[in-house]
Amino acid sequence: KQEVTQIPAALSVPEGENLVLNCSFTDSAIYNLQWFRQDPGKGLTSLLLIQSSQREQTSGRLNASLDKSSGRSTLYIAASQPGDSATYLCAVMDTGRRALTFGSGTRLQVQP
Amino acid sequence: GAGVSQSPSNKVTEKGKDVELRCDPISGHTALYWYRQSLGQGLEFLIYFQGNSAPDKSGLPSDRFSAERTGGSVSTLTIQRTQQEDSAVYLCASSLAAGSYNSPLHFGNGTRLTVT
Repeated sequence: KQEVTQIPAALSVPEGENLVLNCSFTDSAIYNLQWFRQDPGKGLTSLLLIQSSQREQTSGRLNASLDKSSGRSTLYIAASQPGDSATYLCAVMDTGRRALTFGSGTRLQVQP
Repeated sequence: GAGVSQSPSNKVTEKGKDVELRCDPISGHTALYWYRQSLGQGLEFLIYFQGNSAPDKSGLPSDRFSAERTGGSVSTLTIQRTQQEDSAVYLCASSLAAGSYNSPLHFGNGTRLTVT
């Protein structure tokens, strides 16, 4: 059974810092890995999707990497802003069951 | 519509009553998913539909939970004889195709269910 772990559970940084969120998964047989953000009381917003054959994806100040063999992904946020404050969720789509398995998330607070 | 739409946004019901939650996916999306998010816990997969294939019901927690998708579009999640532990946010998502290498999931804002 796929298990997804995110570290740290919570993070508070001053505005302008670069930061890294970590995600690990136990089964490397995946179609893709997806990163989402969730604002309080809202649904999830898709940030980046990395296909199993890819190593990284970039969107603006966000960069996500994937090392499938070691079961790890990182989300790098450059020059953090207060508007980046949210919970960031990592999820993998297994080849066996075509539904995402989610981690518990990292709650990020960027202080102005 | 532009995104996934869920209704109602909030539902308060008494223990033992049945509830129906509705999801309107993005037009053209053939895959539709239901997840549950309980306070302090991660997202729990419930069920997904892909086109006309039989749904994957492996995540449904009990036989009180059921879901259907009519005409390959709108979906309804039904919870019978609700219990207090059913209180959670129920999230619906859709994508172009289940199990696709490059189709991200698009989520609605969820239905917050409170069972008193």
